[in-house]
Amino acid sequence: DAGVTQSPTHLIKTRGQQVTLRCSPKSGHDTVSWYQQALGQGPQFIFQYYEEEERQRGNFPDRFSGHQFPNYSSELNVNALLLGDSALYLCASSLTSGGPGTGELFFGEGSRLTVL
Amino acid sequence: AQSVTQLDSHVSVSEGTPVLLRCNYSSSYSPSLFWYVQHPNKGLQLLLKYTSAATLVKGINGFEAEFKKSETSFHLTKPSAHMSDAAEYFCVVSDASGGSYIPTFGRGTSLIVHP
Repeated sequence: DAGVTQSPTHLIKTRGQQVTLRCSPKSGHDTVSWYQQALGQGPQFIFQYYEEEERQRGNFPDRFSGHQFPNYSSELNVNALLLGDSALYLCASSLTSGGPGTGELFFGEGSRLTVL
Repeated sequence: AQSVTQLDSHVSVSEGTPVLLRCNYSSSYSPSLFWYVQHPNKGLQLLLKYTSAATLVKGINGFEAEFKKSETSFHLTKPSAHMSDAAEYFCVVSDASGGSYIPTFGRGTSLIVHP
């Protein structure tokens, strides 16, 4: 049983560029959440997708957007990259249970983004 | 608003000795509390969770945590550390503030285990 998979694992971009990160949830899970983990910090919630719609959103600007596909996989897009966007981006899947903080989250290994 | 404070950025123990990782939280509601572990270059894995049932929660790999409402604490313990326990540990709080359960992660505690 495949767990949560993310791609790419590492990538380097320059300021002002755009990036797309991808996530496939654990088999049987229908909800995907995205987190940003800066170096030395805990993960911060970006947003959650369920039924192809954004259901919850953390304190992130509109430059951060996402999408969920009918097969429950998801993308995170970040436009107009800033140096401060350099971080590990984590995807987590779960079964719908009322919100991203109510049940167990299954995390992928992350996509490490470096912005130069 | 909810918040969580992990009181130690690093904890160093010898193999076979007890582990204590401290976590204090702030919440205006009845919170759910979690501990996750992150091994190098791996995703986070749930160790245990508290959701208003028994205050002493047992998790995987011999870890347990006790919810103490009077002290607003949720410390993680293990009787005997193993080398494989070396990792980053995150305490997480989640409540219904703002109308939705959005988790707040602590900054993490790095557990170092000496042979």
